[in-house]
Amino acid sequence: DAGVIQSPRHEVTEMGQEVTLRCKPISGHDYLFWYRQTMMRGLELLIYFNNNVPIDDSGMPEDRFSAKMPNASFSTLKIQPSEPRDSAVYFCASREYSSTDTQYFGPGTRLTVL
Amino acid sequence: QKEVEQDPGPLSVPEGAIVSLNCTYSNSAFQYFMWYRQYSRKGPELLMYTYSSGNKEDGRFTAQVDKSSKYISLFIRDSQPSDSATYLCAMSAGQGGSEKLVFGKGTKLTVNP
Repeated sequence: DAGVIQSPRHEVTEMGQEVTLRCKPISGHDYLFWYRQTMMRGLELLIYFNNNVPIDDSGMPEDRFSAKMPNASFSTLKIQPSEPRDSAVYFCASREYSSTDTQYFGPGTRLTVL
Repeated sequence: QKEVEQDPGPLSVPEGAIVSLNCTYSNSAFQYFMWYRQYSRKGPELLMYTYSSGNKEDGRFTAQVDKSSKYISLFIRDSQPSDSATYLCAMSAGQGGSEKLVFGKGTKLTVNP
């Protein structure tokens, strides 16, 4: 398997623009997680899905952030409008239903909002 | 008090040294404990996984969990320059508790040749 795939790998945009990050989880994995990583706050969970259904979005910072998972092989995280404080590395991770909670991370999308 | 505390370092050691990385936590419901390694500009990758208390060894790496003290450790023996990375502890209460992983902020380790 190719692992978790994220696109784009880098995104530079201007404040106020819409940003869409994409993720393809590992085939057969039931859970998908979106994280944000910054030096100040570390790795923060934004939202996670189980079988394409959002389970917990309590980490989504505000209404400017939204996430969807239309099918088992694709998810998006959208920021509209983007702000400079959204600059971070965004990771997608997936795992299968098991007793171990092991998550597999993608390479991340480095977002810079000017 | 944050759920998971981890000293961010940075930690710099000579090649061959024994490295000790630690995390403390406050949620007594945590029962799954993991260490992830993250190389610069890469995603975290699972290094060690432990369920409940005890030790687990894998090559040069040993993970320890002391639930009574709410303290976990990762030991690296005979450290190598290739071990230079950020190490993140992570833990969860598991299914029936919470499926979410809570991460420490990570400790940046540099092993000097």
